[in-house]
Amino acid sequence: GENVEQHPSTLSVQEGDSAVIKCTYSDSASNYFPWYKQELGKGPQLIIDIRSNVGEKKDQRIAVTLNKTAKHFSLHITETQPEDSAVYFCAASPNTNAGKSTFGDGTTLTVKP
Amino acid sequence: DTAVSQTPKYLVTQMGNDKSIKCEQNLGHDTMYWYKQDSKKFLKIMFSYNNKELIINETVPNRFSPKSPDKAHLNLHINSLELGDSAVYFCASGKGLRDTEAFFGQGTRLTVV
Repeated sequence: GENVEQHPSTLSVQEGDSAVIKCTYSDSASNYFPWYKQELGKGPQLIIDIRSNVGEKKDQRIAVTLNKTAKHFSLHITETQPEDSAVYFCAASPNTNAGKSTFGDGTTLTVKP
Repeated sequence: DTAVSQTPKYLVTQMGNDKSIKCEQNLGHDTMYWYKQDSKKFLKIMFSYNNKELIINETVPNRFSPKSPDKAHLNLHINSLELGDSAVYFCASGKGLRDTEAFFGQGTRLTVV
């Protein structure tokens, strides 16, 4: 089955700096890569996603890049703000295994004011 | 209006008891899931249903029995609760089985004492 590794497990940055979270996956059949943000006491919420036919996607301060050959994808947050502090999860969804996204272990991001 | 709602939000119970968590989605989605998040924040899929049909059962003990009376509801019943069942359980829904965003509920924190 699919295996998703996420790094780092914790990340602390100063407000205004950039943050990068990286994930690797094992199943070359994976074609959908969402990123979720989980705030304290809440469920994960999608912040951005990318499909395997695209190499990069950007939405304001967040961007995701995908390297299919190397089987890794990354989340980039620029100009971080204290409200970006949360746990971030990457996931990979193979189109050969219907209904199952495999999640990374999460990254706890802390943005210091 | 809450998109994916689960009840209760908190559940404290003794070992050996049987308990249920209810989930409802008003998004018109065909697919619903149960995820377990442990104390380390790891998020693992337990079950997925599509149009009331079980699609994925991720080697979850038989003590856990999901029930989907219709495609808007997916309830989770747990028999003979054990200490190790303590976790946050998230219900989620999606438009289809593949390549789609999951919409999560706010979670049910289950504590077994």
